[in-house]
Amino acid sequence: AQSVTQLDSHVSVSEGTPVLLRCNYSSSYSPSLFWYVQHPNKGLQLLLKYTSAATLVKGINGFEAEFKKSETSFHLTKPSAHMSDAAEYFCVVSPPGYSSASKIIFGSGTRLSIRP
Amino acid sequence: DGGITQSPKYLFRKEGQNVTLSCEQNLNHDAMYWYRQDPGQGLRLIYYSQIVNDFQKGDIAEGYSVSREKKESFPLTVTSAQKNPTAFYLCASSIGFKDTTDTQYFGPGTRLTVL
Repeated sequence: AQSVTQLDSHVSVSEGTPVLLRCNYSSSYSPSLFWYVQHPNKGLQLLLKYTSAATLVKGINGFEAEFKKSETSFHLTKPSAHMSDAAEYFCVVSPPGYSSASKIIFGSGTRLSIRP
Repeated sequence: DGGITQSPKYLFRKEGQNVTLSCEQNLNHDAMYWYRQDPGQGLRLIYYSQIVNDFQKGDIAEGYSVSREKKESFPLTVTSAQKNPTAFYLCASSIGFKDTTDTQYFGPGTRLTVL
């Protein structure tokens, strides 16, 4: 069975400081992992995804994430936060290859606040 | 512009009424999905469709129905049997149905409130 845990429901950082949003996963096979961002009352937008290629994945808006199999983690980072980064972030785990869409698991989300 | 549209943006329903949420995509994607989002929770899958004229139940299908008569359209009906329908509903699509590593593209959502 798969699961995904976002370790913080809310993270607050000052503008210009680093961002770290934590995600741990559990999977009996090598999953694909995604980070999506959702601004208030909007749909989700893909930030980046890992699909068993390079373990360090670079995404849009300066975000990146590192897949660490030994730690079963896929934490999202950004060197310098911007006010426009304030949003909800979702970590998603998905099995590889042929599978049911019902096995795509969304984390509960981390709300990122940016202090001026 | 290619993308997914959902309408209406806000919807109010009286108890006992059925309502239909629209989802249209012009991305030429085979797969489409409906999710429900409640505060403080991740997305939960209601229904998904891998191809025209075919769809499967997700984790919380009770009280909902869908159709997929055209590739571009995947409407969701919230029936009176759904006991707690107030939520934010998101439609998504992906290029195919063979690989769950495909990126999902999301619409802007419909917020349904039962009065």
